[in-house]
Amino acid sequence: AQSVAQPEDQVNVAEGNPLTVKCTYSVSGNPYLFWYVQYPNRGLQFLLKYITGDNLVKGSYGFEAEFNKSQTSFHLKKPSALVSDSALYFCAVGSSYKLIFGSGTRLLVRP
Amino acid sequence: DGGITQSPKYLFRKEGQNVTLSCEQNLNHDAMYWYRQDPGQGLRLIYYSQIVNDFQKGDIAEGYSVSREKKESFPLTVTSAQKNPTAFYLCASSTPSTGSRPNQPQHFGDGTRLSIL
Repeated sequence: AQSVAQPEDQVNVAEGNPLTVKCTYSVSGNPYLFWYVQYPNRGLQFLLKYITGDNLVKGSYGFEAEFNKSQTSFHLKKPSALVSDSALYFCAVGSSYKLIFGSGTRLLVRP
Repeated sequence: DGGITQSPKYLFRKEGQNVTLSCEQNLNHDAMYWYRQDPGQGLRLIYYSQIVNDFQKGDIAEGYSVSREKKESFPLTVTSAQKNPTAFYLCASSTPSTGSRPNQPQHFGDGTRLSIL
C-alpha cells in the first residue's frame, strides 16, 4: 500500500536559518509526491510536486524539495526561514486517483 | 478570481440531525474531493468524484453522503449515523490526471468547522 510518513510533529528553527521538513514514502512504481502548507483555519496551499525529472524541485515562496529514490525521501527545504513560514506542512503521495497525506509537521520559526 | 468556496465557515449540528456542507468551484475542474481533518491525524478522504454524476467512497465514507449533479458543485451531507462529526472539513478540486495516479495538484477551499451542540 502507498503511504507517506512525516517523522517530526514539530520543527523549530530561527529566522534566517535553513529549514528542513522531512518526508519518507512507500510506493510501488514511480512516486508522485507533493508538498502542501496550511495556515490556521485555512485550506491547504500547493507548494510543489515531483513527478519525474530533476531530483531538486523548486516551488512557491522559495521552497524546494529533494527527491532521493535510494532513501525513499522527499524532504522540504528552504535556505533562509521567515517567521511567516510558520505553519503546518503536509507531504502527500498520489495513489489510485487520490492523494494520501502524511500526518503533518508544524513548523515554528522564531524571530 | 477562480477558486473554491466552502460554506458555511462554522456549522453546529444537533443530535439526530443531518447537515449539508456546500462546496462550489469555478476552476472548471472535473475532479472534486472531500476530506476530514482531525488534530494530529492529517487529512482523510471521505468521498471523491472524477466526473459529474459519478463519485466513489474514500477511506472514511460511513455516515456521509454526497452528490455531483453539476460540475461546479459537490455538497457533503453529514448524517446522524456519523457519531463523531466534530472536525474540520475540506473540499478540493483538480484537473484530471493522466493515468490512475493523481499528478495534478489539488486546490482547496478554506474549510467548514463542524461542531456538535
